[in-house]
Amino acid sequence: GQQLNQSPQSMFIQEGEDVSMNCTSSSIFNTWLWYKQEPGEGPVLLIALYKAGELTSNGRLTAQFGITRKDSFLNISASIPSDVGIYFCAGQPRWDSNSGYALNFGKGTSLLVTP
Amino acid sequence: NAGVTQTPKFRILKIGQSMTLQCTQDMNHNYMYWYRQDPGMGLKLIYYSVGAGITDKGEVPNGYNVSRSTTEDFPLRLELAAPSQTSVYFCASSYSSGPLRNQPQHFGDGTRLSIL
Repeated sequence: GQQLNQSPQSMFIQEGEDVSMNCTSSSIFNTWLWYKQEPGEGPVLLIALYKAGELTSNGRLTAQFGITRKDSFLNISASIPSDVGIYFCAGQPRWDSNSGYALNFGKGTSLLVTP
Repeated sequence: NAGVTQTPKFRILKIGQSMTLQCTQDMNHNYMYWYRQDPGMGLKLIYYSVGAGITDKGEVPNGYNVSRSTTEDFPLRLELAAPSQTSVYFCASSYSSGPLRNQPQHFGDGTRLSIL
């Protein structure tokens, strides 16, 4: 599996600020997913993107599937302390009956929000 | 809503011991996966299954075995534990009805395994 390039590696911001993180790949993906992981828990799906150019929101979160299908970004507006966690991007390659839709993950962006 | 359930949550093993990490899902998902997560890294695929009776290797399968006798269960076995297998293990599942779209993977809360 390919390791995706996710940046920034970490962010330390004040409550109320907007956050932007992105993910790039040398390969084309058919699906981009953004997950959030909190300490001691598994990744929880935030947003799923299925079409190049697609822009999708989930509350204060907005994510886009890049036109080239090789990148995606996630924005968080007006951050709050409960946004703290590690955010992972994941790309899913072209459908293959034998591939199992295995995901390729970025290394994560660690977000800290101070009140 | 149980979703994906993993047991145990924590375990310490001695080098050379064996153990089975359990994973069960109640969403009738046909696809199941095992990942490992090392500090500061994303998840890496160990094994996956597209349905009962079918399993296949992922990116890092060495030292592990799996079986899928039922749709619900997908246990991961370590036969001879080694320090390099110290990690957090996540099981995930998803549903696919064909090539048009695969539903996103849902993850369990993980098993934290230390090999000493």
